[in-house]
Amino acid sequence: DAGVTQSPTHLIKTRGQQVTLRCSPKSGHDTVSWYQQALGQGPQFIFQYYEEEERQRGNFPDRFSGHQFPNYSSELNVNALLLGDSALYLCASSLGLGLSNTEAFFGQGTRLTVV
Amino acid sequence: AQSVAQPEDQVNVAEGNPLTVKCTYSVSGNPYLFWYVQYPNRGLQFLLKYITGDNLVKGSYGFEAEFNKSQTSFHLKKPSALVSDSALYFCAVRDGGSASKIIFGSGTRLSIRP
Repeated sequence: DAGVTQSPTHLIKTRGQQVTLRCSPKSGHDTVSWYQQALGQGPQFIFQYYEEEERQRGNFPDRFSGHQFPNYSSELNVNALLLGDSALYLCASSLGLGLSNTEAFFGQGTRLTVV
Repeated sequence: AQSVAQPEDQVNVAEGNPLTVKCTYSVSGNPYLFWYVQYPNRGLQFLLKYITGDNLVKGSYGFEAEFNKSQTSFHLKKPSALVSDSALYFCAVRDGGSASKIIFGSGTRLSIRP
């Protein structure tokens, strides 16, 4: 049983470019959340997808957008990259929303470096 | 608003000694509490959770955590530390309502010396 898989593992982009990160949730999970972890900090919630819709959003600008596909996999897109977007991006999968969502499993992350 | 505080940036313990990593939280309603561990260049690994029930929760790798509602704390403990426990530990919380986003603390680096 595969856990949460993210691709790519590492990425280097130039300021101003756009990037797409991908996540496949754990088998049986239907909810995907994205987090940004800057160096030396805890993960910060970006947004959450369930039933192909964005359900919650953290304090991130509109440059950050996402998508969830019918097979529950998800993409995170970041436009007009800034140096400050350099971070480890983590995908978490879980089951359902609300009271039934009691545990999240994380992928290994994508290390994005903006130069 | 939900928040989590980990007051110690680093905790140093000798191998074989007990360890405690502190966490306090603030949330409206009943909290769901979690501990995760992160090894270098890796994602987060789930250790344990408190949803309801017994205040002492047992998790992976011999770790346990005690939920204290009056002190709004959820400290992580282990009776006998191993060098391999050295890693970055995150406490996290979400409220028990409809919102399921998880809020993380800033992390505590645990260093176990031989």
